[in-house]
Formats: sequence, structure tokens, C-alpha cells
Amino acid sequence: GAGVSQSPSNKVTEKGKDVELRCDPISGHTALYWYRQSLGQGLEFLIYFQGNSAPDKSGLPSDRFSAERTGGSVSTLTIQRTQQEDSAVYLCASSLGTSEQYFGPGTRLTVT
Amino acid sequence: RKEVEQDPGPFNVPEGATVAFNCTYSNSASQSFFWYRQDCRKEPKLLMSVYSSGNEDGRFTAQLNRASQYISLLIRDSKLSDSATYLCVAGRAGTALIFGKGTTLSVSS
Repeated sequence: GAGVSQSPSNKVTEKGKDVELRCDPISGHTALYWYRQSLGQGLEFLIYFQGNSAPDKSGLPSDRFSAERTGGSVSTLTIQRTQQEDSAVYLCASSLGTSEQYFGPGTRLTVT
Repeated sequence: RKEVEQDPGPFNVPEGATVAFNCTYSNSASQSFFWYRQDCRKEPKLLMSVYSSGNEDGRFTAQLNRASQYISLLIRDSKLSDSATYLCVAGRAGTALIFGKGTTLSVSS
């Protein structure tokens, strides 16, 4: 079956612009996660959605970052007024509850 | 203290070698454990779940020691294709899984 998909696969933007990254989780998965990974670094947790519960936003690095999950399915991560330090790969994952996560291929964001 | 800690390596081993990675987790309430593999510039992929009784999948064996709060991964008869970063993961109900920063393995011919 279809895995987690993310779009765009690559995004180049100018400093100060807003960007939106999209994640389509595996159908039926109740949990959705966003991470970012800078080159050569580990995964940095950003936000976690579980069903209808309030999302865990504890990993969002600043108020320029926000995420939504509409209808318990597709999620959008928005970064406002992008900075060069936002350049990274943004990974989305989904799971059934707290079972194993399946990752999408990521969006590579470059802020110039 | 980080919730999940791993030796970053790198571990450099010849083909055919046996190599073991350990990882420790700090939250005793953790209930689910996994090993993921991440190739360079790719997303992490599930390698195997880790069960209390230990489990084996081909050349890979995972063990969990709840008393000492550590998880291990043993790779036998290493192949060139095993070269990757191995991520240790722990989780508990209702919260996001916690990933370690990974251990890098390089297998050479």
C-alpha cells in the first residue's frame, strides 16, 4: 500500500519568505509526527498529533513554526519568515497509536 | 540527560565481522522499543522491534534489558550493505517516540 508522502521534495526559498510543507500519512494511521534533520545530525522532534487530542508542540523551535492536521489526515507544517538556520530536511512520519513509525522521504528546505 | 543515548561511533568493521551496538534510555515508563536504519540522505526505516524476550531477524538480534534500561543490536556476518546509521528508539503510551542520535556503522571489504 501507499506509504507516507511529502511535498515538495525540495524547496528553495529566500530568507524572510513563508513556506508550507505537506505530509500525507498512511491511511488509517492515527498519529502523525514532524521532525527536522540538519546535515549529519540526529532527528529533532517538532510536533506530534494523536487522534483528536491536543498536539504536542513541545519541539517547535520558535513561534515562526506551526502545524495543522486537517480531518485527522493530511498535515501542513508552516514556517514563517524563514531564516538560514531553518535549512534542513523536514521529515514526517505516521503510526497507529504509539507503535512503529513510518517515515516519508522528507522535504529538503534550503533558505538562501 | 538525554532520553535515549547511543555511542555515535563510527564503528569500522570488515565484512563478515560481528558488531554490537548498545543504547540506554532514561525513562523507566518506556514500553516500546525499536531499531531503525538510516542511509545517507534517506529517511529512517524500521529495522526491527525489540521485545522483552529478545528477538532475531536473520543476521540481526535485538535484546532489551529493562532492569538496566538498555537495548542492544547485534549484527552477525556484516555485509557492505549494512553500512548505515542505526537509530535506537524508545516510547511510552500517549507520547511521541524518542529517537537516539544514531550509531554509524561502516563495513569495508
